[in-house]
Amino acid sequence: DAGVIQSPRHEVTEMGQEVTLRCKPISGHDYLFWYRQTMMRGLELLIYFNNNVPIDDSGMPEDRFSAKMPNASFSTLKIQPSEPRDSAVYFCASSLGVSGRPYHEQFFGPGTRLTVL
Amino acid sequence: GENVEQHPSTLSVQEGDSAVIKCTYSDSASNYFPWYKQELGKRPQLIIDIRSNVGEKKDQRIAVTLNKTAKHFSLHITETQPEDSAVYFCAAVLTFGNEKLTFGTGTRLTIIP
Repeated sequence: DAGVIQSPRHEVTEMGQEVTLRCKPISGHDYLFWYRQTMMRGLELLIYFNNNVPIDDSGMPEDRFSAKMPNASFSTLKIQPSEPRDSAVYFCASSLGVSGRPYHEQFFGPGTRLTVL
Repeated sequence: GENVEQHPSTLSVQEGDSAVIKCTYSDSASNYFPWYKQELGKRPQLIIDIRSNVGEKKDQRIAVTLNKTAKHFSLHITETQPEDSAVYFCAAVLTFGNEKLTFGTGTRLTIIP
């Protein structure tokens, strides 16, 4: 398996533009997580899905952020409009839940480094 | 919600010596505590985890201890090597009603050759 795949790896955009980050989880995994990592705030969970259904989006910073998982092999995180303070590394991770709970290893993708000018 | 504190934020040890990183958590309902290692420019990767029904777990040079009464857990690395240099994150899972990992702020460990 190729592991969790994210694209693009790097994104530079201007303030006000729409940004879409993409993730393909490991085949067979039923949980998908989106994280944001910055020096100031560390590693923050934004949202997670179970069987393509959003379970907890309390970490999504504001309405400019949205995430979807149309099927088991694809998820997107969209920022519209983007702002300089959104600059960060965004990680997608997936895991295989046991008895419906994700208490197992989360496999992280390589991340997308987003720079908003 | 869960709050996880991690100390120290930076740690330098001589190669061959031991390193200890400590975390405390706020919610007594938490019962799963993983540790992730993130090398510079890379993704976080799980190195060891422990569940609340266990007090200690070892895997070669790495061990984790858990004190549920005091609500703290620690990572111990013995016989440190240069490749141990990385940022280490502890995490805890609040298992009642919400299953997300809450991460500590990270410890940058530097092994001095």
